[in-house]
Amino acid sequence: DAGITQSPRHKVTETGTPVTLRCHQTENHRYMYWYRQDPGHGLRLIHYSYGVKDTDKGEVSDGYSVSRSKTEDFLLTLESATSSQTSVYFCAISQGSNTGELFFGEGSRLTVL
Amino acid sequence: GEDVEQSLFLSVREGDSSVINCTYTDSSSTYLYWYKQEPGAGLQLLTYIFSNMDMKQDQRLTVLLNKKDKHLSLRIADTQTGDSAIYFCALGTGRRALTFGSGTRLQVQP
Repeated sequence: DAGITQSPRHKVTETGTPVTLRCHQTENHRYMYWYRQDPGHGLRLIHYSYGVKDTDKGEVSDGYSVSRSKTEDFLLTLESATSSQTSVYFCAISQGSNTGELFFGEGSRLTVL
Repeated sequence: GEDVEQSLFLSVREGDSSVINCTYTDSSSTYLYWYKQEPGAGLQLLTYIFSNMDMKQDQRLTVLLNKKDKHLSLRIADTQTGDSAIYFCALGTGRRALTFGSGTRLQVQP
């Protein structure tokens, strides 16, 4: 158990509304990631963070922003949700080992109507 | 960027061996991983192999790496119904985010 909690686990919202997903970790790891999972695409990286206030874009960052003001929390925000952002969102952490494996949260299912 | 490809679906009978394949384009990856995802859950790390290895065995799991052909495979011996899940291969350099394949859904028939 890597101590990762995602909230909310399920959310239904309407097009144009803002949405924030939260990832909380209990073990003080530096590296945190947000991925989205869609059928036929596997997992695609949205944004990642290497520490407090140190974030960068992944391959599908358009329409998303992130913030990391504390080591334990990594927030993903959709400023104005669109139907194409309907997906399952996964937060992951790296323990910083040389082998680089990621440990995942349980996911947040977002539906944009 | 890195392209990682997997076949979408594999069906086997309980007790048989399963082989899940993955091909990739970028040879700079240091570690290659296999993850398992059960319905409604996150991804669980199964095993990984370092790029200078050809094979790694871990109980019922055998990972084979052919760097020349850029081909990674996961063999599950004596497949059980509890092995039914989606399996993802992923590549990384040990310090950055991982790149994932599209996943292979394994269905185990009793």
